[in-house]
Amino acid sequence: DQQVKQNSPSLSVQEGRISILNCDYTNSMFDYFLWYKKYPAEGPTFLISISSIKDKNEDGRFTVFLNKSAKHLSLHIVPSQPGDSAVYFCAAYSGGGADGLTFGKGTHLIIQP
Amino acid sequence: KAGVTQTPRYLIKTRGQQVTLSCSPISGHRSVSWYQQTPGQGLQFLFEYFSETQRNKGNFPGRFSGRQFSNSRSEMNVSTLELGDSALYLCASSHGRQVNTEAFFGQGTRLTVV
Repeated sequence: DQQVKQNSPSLSVQEGRISILNCDYTNSMFDYFLWYKKYPAEGPTFLISISSIKDKNEDGRFTVFLNKSAKHLSLHIVPSQPGDSAVYFCAAYSGGGADGLTFGKGTHLIIQP
Repeated sequence: KAGVTQTPRYLIKTRGQQVTLSCSPISGHRSVSWYQQTPGQGLQFLFEYFSETQRNKGNFPGRFSGRQFSNSRSEMNVSTLELGDSALYLCASSHGRQVNTEAFFGQGTRLTVV
């Protein structure tokens, strides 16, 4: 049973436009959510996170929105740049993370020039 | 400050063999977690070590084991390799017990079982 779902395996966006990556979760115990970015042949790199007590967190071009009632979060990238082309993983944990991060399967974002 | 170092980067083994992967965390980090990444299952949590003790284990068979040394370096061992064990194995280090925003990943070890 997949507790974190990223239903779009890939997403293509034009440079300069907004990229919106979506993530759904089923475990209501999750209280912390993270987005990681991964380039080929590299490990995931932390991007941005949000606690379940918030509904929005912003860091430069990246904003994460959390809708707890819908068990849904999204990552907005504005404006999208060519270097943003990568696989984006949504991850979550509960209770301090003792059980490790639960990851979605990732969305491959392709920024078109 | 050196990042998380995983060795070897690539490995080819045959079915039935065993393999040991190594992870050196960032200096000062005491927690090391291991993850398996496959195209079909994505990133899955294997186990986490803190101060030489395994804190928790994901849903993997007993063929997957690990340990952590007093210098926080960690090894992961897979015995009786199966074709399905072919994957990218990633380790992540962080300061403390919590897997939080300060978790840094290594580049991974790409294991191919033939």
